[in-house]
Amino acid sequence: AQSVTQLGSHVSVSEGALVLLRCNYSSSVPPYLFWYVQYPNQGLQLLLKYTSAATLVKGINGFEAEFKKSETSFHLTKPSAHMSDAAEYFCAVSIVGGGADGLTFGKGTHLIIQP
Amino acid sequence: DAGVTQSPTHLIKTRGQQVTLRCSPKSGHDTVSWYQQALGQGPQFIFQYYEEEERQRGNFPDRFSGHQFPNYSSELNVNALLLGDSALYLCASSATGWGEQFFGPGTRLTVL
Repeated sequence: AQSVTQLGSHVSVSEGALVLLRCNYSSSVPPYLFWYVQYPNQGLQLLLKYTSAATLVKGINGFEAEFKKSETSFHLTKPSAHMSDAAEYFCAVSIVGGGADGLTFGKGTHLIIQP
Repeated sequence: DAGVTQSPTHLIKTRGQQVTLRCSPKSGHDTVSWYQQALGQGPQFIFQYYEEEERQRGNFPDRFSGHQFPNYSSELNVNALLLGDSALYLCASSATGWGEQFFGPGTRLTVL
């Protein structure tokens, strides 16, 4: 079975600083990896996805993530934080492509942006 | 495009009751997945429906059941509600062959 571990339930950065949210996965087969963002009282919005095409994946709102097989990691970064980035971020893994299986989510990281 | 819609937005039930939640997928999508998100936790996969059949199921008891209709909309039913069933229930839809699941805003269920 696959699993996801997100290090740090809360991460606080200053506006304009680098954002780094950590995600490590466990999977017996090559995984499909995703980062979702959730704003208060809303559903989840896909930021980016890794589907084996390229190890560095660029997403919306200036976010990107790098797949590192040797480290079983898929950390999310953004060069310069904006106040509007404050939200809950979830890393997720699936083992079957095409949306044909359920996603396994981490517990989430709450991103706080300090002015 | 309306995206994924869910109803109702909020629901309050008492222990032992039964509840039905509804989901309409994004236009062009034929697969619907349901997730339970407890407060402060990540979503947990309940099950997925495709071609009106349950294709995959997570680690949830039989009290959780579902249905998919010919128009691809779906229902989640929970019987004999427990206090621990209080959560945000998220519906996600996807199109066969594509890897992205689009999520609805969720239904907040409170069990008293």
